[in-house]
Amino acid sequence: DVKVTQSSRYLVKRTGEKVFLECVQDMDHENMFWYRQDPGLGLRLIYFSYDVKMKEKGDIPEGYSVSREKKERFSLILESASTNQTSMYLCATLPGNRRQETQYFGPGTRLLVL
Amino acid sequence: DQQVKQNSPSLSVQEGRISILNCDYTNSMFDYFLWYKKYPAEGPTFLISISSIKDKNEDGRFTVFLNKSAKHLSLHIVPSQPGDSAVYFCAASENTGNQFYFGTGTSLTVIP
Repeated sequence: DVKVTQSSRYLVKRTGEKVFLECVQDMDHENMFWYRQDPGLGLRLIYFSYDVKMKEKGDIPEGYSVSREKKERFSLILESASTNQTSMYLCATLPGNRRQETQYFGPGTRLLVL
Repeated sequence: DQQVKQNSPSLSVQEGRISILNCDYTNSMFDYFLWYKKYPAEGPTFLISISSIKDKNEDGRFTVFLNKSAKHLSLHIVPSQPGDSAVYFCAASENTGNQFYFGTGTSLTVIP
């Protein structure tokens, strides 16, 4: 059974703070993703990684960075949090042999930036 | 530009009736389509998928239909149950990539 965990379920931060969101998976999947979900906008891809130390920008990378030092861990970093980054953040994984496969999601982190 | 669209933000259905959720896409290179279900404060969970070589896939109460010429897919839930109340996202991907493109979601409410 695939397990994707995220470091926090709820987080409150102040404008300008550096924020780390961590995602850990236990299924040895090559691909990992960070999305944000906002009402009326669905899931938007921020960054993804297809291998250790590899990263690709998604549709909305501005204001974010990522780190993948180990295969099982993918971190999302908000260098200087802003109120428009208040959102639900979702991590997902996907096996390397991705044909006809589904993504597996973590429970999400609801971030509030004051 | 949104490549996957769900034009109905919400849908209400009586328990026992059919729920039909719709999704349109613009990219003709998409060859794999999925539906996810999401409860509040939880991550999306996979529901059902369909490959572009098929036009229908069924799994219990859930059936997905794909009309490639119209670039349209739909999810049918029969019979609808109150536990089906959730937000449903459709998603699509291309054979050559590992990126999934999601719609904006449809919030389904099944009324007991």
